[in-house]
Amino acid sequence: SSELTQDPAVSVALGQTVRITCQGDSLRSYYASWYQQKPGQAPVLVIYGKNNRPSGIPDRFSGSSSGNTASLTITGAQAEDEADYYCNSRDSSGTGVFGGGTKLTVL
Amino acid sequence: QVQLQQWGAGLLKPSETLSLTCAVYGGSFSGYYWSWIRQPPGKGLEWIGEINHSGSTNYNPSLKSRVTISIDTSKNQFSLKLSSVTAADTAVYYCARLKIKQQLVRYYYYMDVWGKGTTVTVSS
Repeated sequence: SSELTQDPAVSVALGQTVRITCQGDSLRSYYASWYQQKPGQAPVLVIYGKNNRPSGIPDRFSGSSSGNTASLTITGAQAEDEADYYCNSRDSSGTGVFGGGTKLTVL
Repeated sequence: QVQLQQWGAGLLKPSETLSLTCAVYGGSFSGYYWSWIRQPPGKGLEWIGEINHSGSTNYNPSLKSRVTISIDTSKNQFSLKLSSVTAADTAVYYCARLKIKQQLVRYYYYMDVWGKGTTVTVSS
């Protein structure tokens, strides 16, 4: 399958932990990368590989993978984490593919 | 620090060809792949394709018949052309640097530097 499936919307109380998931057959072969996008801005890489954070990304962001599911976890969500989150990987033919995105609301 | 600066025509008529260029400043151009991604208004991200410094390309099958990505290593630039545009091609178009790594037995791909985006509107 060339699809990556994400929940359209997730909410979390301020300071609590939230997990955003991404499902797809290709995730058994490739790690996902995760991008945060705020309104009117370009996406920003937050997690890549098994669980790697680019410089400048807070350590409350972490990633994990099991079977056909990749997860992005925010431990102690902050107001500034409210954004759209997209997973990205490859399909079986090596074509790039994005998940549909998850809108995170911090309550 | 690597920066990507992109530009191109923002308003097109149906059937015209979209043309965007992305310039790479402040870092190495070779050894990476360079990508194009788009986002229609109010919708999610769509991967368009990529090119490496040698000119090897990989395109989204849904756009492959209309897309050409090229590279000019002498200028540290890469470009996107999308022919026969329609209103469905209206989107913000982003360029990005793509890295490919292997960890354990898996490969992973990630775009660590992005351009600011160019809004392209197709309207008669």
